[in-house]
Amino acid sequence: AQTVTQSQPEMSVQEAETVTLSCTYDTSESDYYLFWYKQPPSRQMILVIRQEAYKQQNATENRFSVNFQKAAKSFSLKISDSQLGDAAMYFCAYGSNYKLTFGKGTLLTVNP
Amino acid sequence: GAVVSQHPSRVICKSGTSVKIECRSLDFQATTMFWYRQFPKQSLMLMATSNEGSKATYEQGVEKDKFLINHASLTLSTLTVTSAHPEDSSFYICSARVQGGFYEQYFGPGTRLTVT
Repeated sequence: AQTVTQSQPEMSVQEAETVTLSCTYDTSESDYYLFWYKQPPSRQMILVIRQEAYKQQNATENRFSVNFQKAAKSFSLKISDSQLGDAAMYFCAYGSNYKLTFGKGTLLTVNP
Repeated sequence: GAVVSQHPSRVICKSGTSVKIECRSLDFQATTMFWYRQFPKQSLMLMATSNEGSKATYEQGVEKDKFLINHASLTLSTLTVTSAHPEDSSFYICSARVQGGFYEQYFGPGTRLTVT
């Protein structure tokens, strides 16, 4: 079974600074997808960014970018120019056969 | 686009009763819908996958007779918690995958179930 590990239960960042959230996963499959989801206090899950495993180019979405290292099975999220609204729980997710397996999450605090 | 709603947002029921939670895709047709359970300060755990018109597929350890899932149309899936007990109290989240669309799932806002 696939597992997703987020080794940082909590992280904090100053407003306007950059922070990187770590994620590693374990799989024997070659074709899969990776996602970062954000869950603010409202508990609504919001897709932040996705990465197809067959693509070597790292995905970017405005201030959010990933560092995808397939051989190392690592998928970190970089948030640039952090904003107060970025404060949330961030979940890394592995997708295969249309199912998602989530990590335990990293609680991100943004300090003004 | 890709909005998923859940109803109710909160429900309190007495032990031994059943409660139904609805999940609707408002502006798209969902080939597949998923039901998750999330305990406080924990991750989402997939309970079951449902495809329109067919029986749901339950994850290992999930009691299919307790958590009844019906995916009657391409826009509606329901989760019924039967004979609820206090340990069933949790946050239940549904998600949907766009028919013919890309891989990601769109999530509903969740339902907080409290069994007294």
